Amino acid sequence: DAGVIQSPRHEVTEMGQEVTLRCKPISGHNSLFWYRQTMMRGLELLIYFNNNVPIDDSGMPEDRFSAKMPNASFSTLKIQPSEPRDSAVYFCASSLMGTAAYNEQFFGPGTRLTVL
Amino acid sequence: AQRVTQPEKLLSVFKGAPVELKCNYSYSGSPELFWYVQYSRQRLQLLLRHISRESIKGFTADLNKGETSFHLKKPFAQEEDSAMYYCALSGKGDDKIIFGKGTRLHILP
Repeated sequence: DAGVIQSPRHEVTEMGQEVTLRCKPISGHNSLFWYRQTMMRGLELLIYFNNNVPIDDSGMPEDRFSAKMPNASFSTLKIQPSEPRDSAVYFCASSLMGTAAYNEQFFGPGTRLTVL
Repeated sequence: AQRVTQPEKLLSVFKGAPVELKCNYSYSGSPELFWYVQYSRQRLQLLLRHISRESIKGFTADLNKGETSFHLKKPFAQEEDSAMYYCALSGKGDDKIIFGKGTRLHILP
């Protein structure tokens, strides 16, 4: 099992461009989480899905960010338009649905986004 | 408000010396506490959770509700312990996890 798969691994784009990050969770997992990691703010939860349904998007910074999960094996995080302050590492994680104490989250390798 | 505080950004310890990574939390209730670790060029992964009361790779962590702390300890540091360590909490019955900002542990030879 390859674990959680994220693409691309690195993305460099110019301010104002649309950026789409992709995630494939571990097969059989029905919870999916998007995180952003920066030096200043550490690891922040942006949004999470249970059974493809968004449950909590309170961490999404602004309307420029949107996330979808059209099926159990695919999710996207889109930034439109992108800004330099969006530069960060974006992680996707998946788990079996349920309380975090009993359902370990497995992380992908991350996408390093640089917005010039 | 739910918050996890890791006061040290960087901790340098000599090989063989004891390690203690500090973690304090703020939560109005009974939280579940975790430590996650990210080794160089590897994925972020769960190290241990207080509910399991386990010792992983020689690390232990005790939940102190009076001091609202969940410090990570190891009696004798090894070079392979060098990594980024994140303390995290979840509300009882909650799906999501809140992470601290992390502490980079550097083991000196």
